[in-house]
Amino acid sequence: QVQLVESGGGVVQPGRSLRLSCAGSGFTFSNYAIHWVRQAPGKGLEWVAVMSNDGNNKYYADSVKGRFTISRDNSKNTLYLQMNSLRAEDTAVYYCAKRRTVISSSWADAFDIWGQGTMVTVSS
Amino acid sequence: QSVLTQPPSVSAAPGQKVTISCSGSSSNIGNDYVSWYQQLPGTAPKLLIYDNNKRPSGIPDRFSGSKSGTSATLGITGLQTGDEADYYCGTWDISLSGHWVFGGGTKLTVL
Repeated sequence: QVQLVESGGGVVQPGRSLRLSCAGSGFTFSNYAIHWVRQAPGKGLEWVAVMSNDGNNKYYADSVKGRFTISRDNSKNTLYLQMNSLRAEDTAVYYCAKRRTVISSSWADAFDIWGQGTMVTVSS
Repeated sequence: QSVLTQPPSVSAAPGQKVTISCSGSSSNIGNDYVSWYQQLPGTAPKLLIYDNNKRPSGIPDRFSGSKSGTSATLGITGLQTGDEADYYCGTWDISLSGHWVFGGGTKLTVL
């Protein structure tokens, strides 16, 4: 079945780095833009970043711009999120989510498949 | 503070109807499609409504969506205890260099 599986979360000290992975299966990974969305404990959803299917376009939330880098390896059906200079406020469950359609002129296309999430805790 | 404004909570009795509003601006809701997500406790979000008013396969027609100008609304009829969850609206915002925005979420309690 169509699924996304995140990995790479853990406990990390402030200022350190962590790389998350999102592995896709059951669909043609290289056809779809994929987003990262996070959720701090007890809080709402916060969008983090998106990368187009071919990697040519990427966008970031202001809160992570300059610190986080989104990338993908379509040969491995995997999306990544490199997180540098981590802060306590980056503590959250990180989800990857697949765009619903293959081709759309709109970045407002919905997220139809979500992973189960991976927890990142930034603490000394 | 979220770019899209939702009521923090709504409640209604089983079998009743409830609506959840999502208010934005011309750079987000007024410019593009809105989608809605349901998040049951301890689980990942799930797509409920896309393109303002369309339901993915498997989503019952008790769930509906609409959009007018810079606001969107999620409606749920025939409330069930299993509908107790957090609900989020979302869309793309063209301001700055472009970014996705979510509402702050609405906690639905089925009394």
